[in-house]
Order: sequence, then C-alpha cells, then structure tokens
Amino acid sequence: DVKVTQSSRYLVKRTGEKVFLECVQDMDHENMFWYRQDPGLGLRLIYFSYDVKMKEKGDIPEGYSVSREKKERFSLILESASTNQTSMYLCASSLVRFAGNEQFFGPGTRLTVL
Amino acid sequence: GENVEQHPSTLSVQEGDSAVIKCTYSDSASNYFPWYKQELGKGPQLIIDIRSNVGEKKDQRIAVTLNKTAKHFSLHITETQPEDSAVYFCAASREGYQKVTFGIGTKLQVIP
Repeated sequence: DVKVTQSSRYLVKRTGEKVFLECVQDMDHENMFWYRQDPGLGLRLIYFSYDVKMKEKGDIPEGYSVSREKKERFSLILESASTNQTSMYLCASSLVRFAGNEQFFGPGTRLTVL
Repeated sequence: GENVEQHPSTLSVQEGDSAVIKCTYSDSASNYFPWYKQELGKGPQLIIDIRSNVGEKKDQRIAVTLNKTAKHFSLHITETQPEDSAVYFCAASREGYQKVTFGIGTKLQVIP
C-alpha cells in the first residue's frame, strides 16, 4: 500500500516563526502536492512538484515556498507564519507526471499560528 | 482556470436511504472526475472516478454519472450505512495536467 506520512499531526507556532512541514511518500511517485483545507473552502492547492527540484505554483502560493531535494520528500515552508495560515495542511502524491491518476493523501497536519 | 462547484455542503439521510451529491465544472477540456471520501482524522481517499468517454460507472453501492454537455457529474450512494458518514469531495482535471481542482466538500451524515 502507498503510504504518505507527514511529520506532525498537530503543530502550534507563533506569528513570525519559520515553519517546516514535511511529507514523505514510499512508492516512488513522481508528483507531490501540498493543499490546505479550510471549512467551506475545500481543498486548495498551494504548490506541487512533478520531479526533484521542480515546483509549480498552485492556486494559493502566497506566503509559502516548497522544497523537493529527494523524490520521496516534499517540504512546505512558511517563511514567516501568520495567523491566517492557521489551517489543516494535506500532502498528497500521485504516480506519474500526467493527471488522471489517483492522489494518495497523508493524514494532515493541523497548524495553529498564535 | 477550472472551477468546481459542489452541493449540498451538508446532507443528512436515514440509514438505508440514498444520497446524491452534485458537482459542476467550468472547463470543457476537463476529462477526469474523481471522488474522494475523507473520514474523520484522515486524509481523503479515492472511492471512484470517471473519465469523459463514459457516462456512468458503478462500484457496488456507489455510482457516478457524467453529463459532459451540461458539465455536471454526480455521486450516488445507495443503501447508505453509518460508515458512509464522511466528507466527500468531487474533483476535475485534464489529462496531461498534474493539477486537480476540488469542490468544497459535502459532509454526509447517515442517521442510524
């Protein structure tokens, strides 16, 4: 079974802190994604990556950056956390570069920024 | 870009009844439509998907229909059970693109 793991289930940070959220997948998937989930807004794509060191902006990239140094690992970085970044963050991966493939999600990280 | 609208946002049904969730999409080039189920405390998981070359697909108690002309697709769950209680997301994407656009989700509650 594909397994996508996220470094933390719950995280509490202070405004202005630099925050790292890490995601690891174990099935050699090419694509990896970061979403945030907010009530009434569904899943919104922040960034995605289709290869090592490659990244593309999603719908809401402002205030975030990403890093993919190894194929299995995709990190989301909040350079200076703000209260409006309090949310559930979901990582996902899919097998090959082109769409039409199932996305496998991690359990999520609930981030609270005070 | 693609825009996916989903309704209702919440749905309560009696156990054994059917549940229907509807979605519309805006990009006529979209041709892959997955549905995800998110149980409490877990990430979403694919339950069924449909591609634009078919109008309906079934898997036991769940079915999805697609009307490309009207640009809408629906999820049908028959003989609902308490374990069907979850948040359901529809989505749309285009072959050749990694990006998937999700609806806002429907919270389904099945009342025993």
